[in-house]
Amino acid sequence: GDSVTQMEGPVTLSEEAFLTINCTYTATGYPSLFWYVQYPGEGLQLLLKATKADDKGSNKGFEATYRKETTSFHLEKGSVQVSDSAVYFCALSDGSGTYKYIFGTGTRLKVLA
Amino acid sequence: KAGVTQTPRYLIKTRGQQVTLSCSPISGHRSVSWYQQTPGQGLQFLFEYFSETQRNKGNFPGRFSGRQFSNSRSEMNVSTLELGDSALYLCASSLGGYTSGGYGYTFGSGTRLTVV
Repeated sequence: GDSVTQMEGPVTLSEEAFLTINCTYTATGYPSLFWYVQYPGEGLQLLLKATKADDKGSNKGFEATYRKETTSFHLEKGSVQVSDSAVYFCALSDGSGTYKYIFGTGTRLKVLA
Repeated sequence: KAGVTQTPRYLIKTRGQQVTLSCSPISGHRSVSWYQQTPGQGLQFLFEYFSETQRNKGNFPGRFSGRQFSNSRSEMNVSTLELGDSALYLCASSLGGYTSGGYGYTFGSGTRLTVV
């Protein structure tokens, strides 16, 4: 079945460092891909999305490109801030009518001042 | 614009009891999904409703059930609670329709259920 694999955390960075969180997927169809972020004690917030190959999603300085050839959707940010500390989830929606997300296990990011 | 509202935020129940969780979606949203989040299993899909009809169901036992009302509000019920049901239960809403997956869902803050 469809699946999402994320890099293990936690990831600890200094403020203003470059961030990459790897995400790869397995899907039989043409999924839409998402990054969600979860701050402590809160639900998930949609960070960015891409619905077809080569699309780039971007928001709040974060970006990710839908790479069909490598089945990847890596999250990047050029300069992280302490406020970016959270858990990041990669997810796919297969769009075939199931209307559900398949989430990765999440990657905890800790940014130090 | 109000977000997705889940009540209650926290709940403590005893093993064997049943519990009902409530979710009010964003106004105009007709699709509501429920997820269970645990440290061991991560985020797992429970079910999805659209216009009062369950369209999809995850791999959970029959003790987990849900429904959606005509105003799109949704409830989920867990009967005969087990210790392993302790989790954060997240509700999410979307406009619905064929492309609802592509547009993304808006999540609520969740209900933290503890079974003792």
